[in-house]
Amino acid sequence: KQEVTQIPAALSVPEGENLVLNCSFTDSAIYNLQWFRQDPGKGLTSLLLIQSSQREQTSGRLNASLDKSSGRSTLYIAASQPGDSATYLCAVIGDNNDMRFGAGTRLTVKP
Amino acid sequence: NAGVTQTPKFQVLKTGQSMTLQCAQDMNHEYMSWYRQDPGMGLRLIHYSVGAGITDQGEVPNGYNVSRSTTEDFPLRLLSAAPSQTSVYFCASSLSVSNYGYTFGSGTRLTVV
Repeated sequence: KQEVTQIPAALSVPEGENLVLNCSFTDSAIYNLQWFRQDPGKGLTSLLLIQSSQREQTSGRLNASLDKSSGRSTLYIAASQPGDSATYLCAVIGDNNDMRFGAGTRLTVKP
Repeated sequence: NAGVTQTPKFQVLKTGQSMTLQCAQDMNHEYMSWYRQDPGMGLRLIHYSVGAGITDQGEVPNGYNVSRSTTEDFPLRLLSAAPSQTSVYFCASSLSVSNYGYTFGSGTRLTVV
């Protein structure tokens, strides 16, 4: 059974810092990995999708990497802003198209 | 495009009542799924469908039924609500999971008293 772990569970940083969120998974046989953002009381917004053949994806200040062999992904946020405060969720999609989520990292960026 | 639409947004049920959570998408997506989100546990897959007429169980299917009579709709039925089913429920869909990942609805917050 695929298990997804996100570390740390919570993170508080001052505005302007660069930061890294970590995601690990136990079964490397994945189709792709998707990072989401969730604001309190809201749904999930897709940030980045990394296909299994890719090593990284970038969107603006966000960069996500994938190392399938070691079962790890990182989400790098450059020059963090208070608007980045949210919970970030990592999810892996297996070969039967089901998606397994980590419990998330709750990020607070202080002005 | 409306994307993935979930109704209702909020619902309170009494123990033992039944109800249906609605999910509709207008993107002609083949893949649809239902998740529940509980504090500290992340999202867990309840049921999923790879196309009209095809459904399968996820991690936590007990107490829930689904059907997929059309490509657009994927309702989730609670047969006899229990307090343990208090949660936030999300519906998601995808055109091609390997290429596009999933798009999520805004959720239904369900309380069972």
